[in-house]
Amino acid sequence: QVQLVQSGGGLVQPGTSLRLSCSTSGFSFSGYGLHWIRQSPGGGLEWVAFMSHDGRHTYFAESVKGRFTVSRDNPKTTFFLEMNKLRPEDTALYFCAKDRRPLYDHGDYEFDRWGRGTLVTVSA
Amino acid sequence: SSELTQAPAVSVALGQTVTITCQGDSLTTYSASWYQQKPGQAPVLLIYDQSSRPSGIPDRFSGASSGDTASLTITGALADDEADYYCNSRDSNYFPLFGGGTRLTVL
Repeated sequence: QVQLVQSGGGLVQPGTSLRLSCSTSGFSFSGYGLHWIRQSPGGGLEWVAFMSHDGRHTYFAESVKGRFTVSRDNPKTTFFLEMNKLRPEDTALYFCAKDRRPLYDHGDYEFDRWGRGTLVTVSA
Repeated sequence: SSELTQAPAVSVALGQTVTITCQGDSLTTYSASWYQQKPGQAPVLLIYDQSSRPSGIPDRFSGASSGDTASLTITGALADDEADYYCNSRDSNYFPLFGGGTRLTVL
């Protein structure tokens, strides 16, 4: 059974940092790219970031480029989002999601499993 | 940059059929997928590769495409189908792109 269990998140002040984790099980972790996708309160879905199955390729939305980084620990089957210089507009529910297809170096756009989301609130 | 346009809200009578559409230039190049999101829950993949269903998704849900428009059809809507529905595809940078979502009300 595929599971993506998220942790991290919370209320932080603008300009500070936060790290989100996505602990997974039930699939061949090292064979799949992973994404972070966020949803602002009452809003739609926005893709944020991607890391390939082997960690060699990463991509970021323009809105977070240069402030957010992603990493993965394949032996521990965990995926991370490091968020720096947070802004109020980064306030959102953050989901980790798995590529549907394996070994897509540049990222799939079909996500067949999602975590339950973790809330990040950036406010003074 | 690219956009995927969805109607903000649609309603359907219980047991009837409803189609939700998604329009965008990128759909002439990339197929669409569809997600269902209920309040307080993560999205669930309903349709991928334009018209394929993951295992466990009822065949009441079907997808199609024509030109720059993709569609999701729910045949015989149930009260449990009341949710937000999002299409997605790629943008001009090859990144994932979501439509704005359509809230479905089952009357």
